[in-house]
Amino acid sequence: DVVMTQSPLSLSVTLGQPASISCRSSQSLLYSNGNTYLNWFQQRPGQSPRRLIYEVSKWDSGVPDRFSGSGSGTDFTLRISRVEAEDVGIYYCMQGTHWPWTFGQGTKVEVK
Amino acid sequence: EVQLVESGGGLVQPGGSLRLSCVASGFTFSGYWMSWVRQAPGKGLEWVANIKHDGSEEYYVDSVRGRFTISRDNAKDSLYLQMNNMRADDTAVYYCAQKRGDYWGQGTLVTVSS
Repeated sequence: DVVMTQSPLSLSVTLGQPASISCRSSQSLLYSNGNTYLNWFQQRPGQSPRRLIYEVSKWDSGVPDRFSGSGSGTDFTLRISRVEAEDVGIYYCMQGTHWPWTFGQGTKVEVK
Repeated sequence: EVQLVESGGGLVQPGGSLRLSCVASGFTFSGYWMSWVRQAPGKGLEWVANIKHDGSEEYYVDSVRGRFTISRDNAKDSLYLQMNNMRADDTAVYYCAQKRGDYWGQGTLVTVSS
């Protein structure tokens, strides 16, 4: 199985400051059709996960543009340009290239 | 608006069975791969099973293969997960999800305990 490794596992960020989460995969996530199926999800306390970013850098509808994704191959990053109070939660990367699809361990984001 | 509504969770004894359902609305259900994803209490996310839009292909994570069966009824816009020979480590909130997590339901809690 593809192992997804996130860092850091916990992040405390001052309101209005930037934040960055790294995600590394144990294999390349480039699919045979040329797409890279690396998604980012946000799970707020007590809620279902919500997808923020798909195929590395594409925004889902309604996602604020302070969130951005980048990377290729095995190294990926989620950035929040200016953290807001509503960004509190756990963030997961997920690969949908190799079955079984797998998630990172999650990064807990707190706002100071 | 896309909606996924799960039901069927509850308390079951080890070795028992349970069938989860997910009713979809707001999109053409028959045109999409669908999935079940679970989350054990206080833990991360685990993809459990996938099924192709026409039901012709199914994929399972190793820990449930041979015990769980994913199925769908496109006429009823519904997805199912039949869980047999259940174990304590199957205890989790089970989410229905579209494709690669495009949309998620609210989840249904399954507890395996004597």
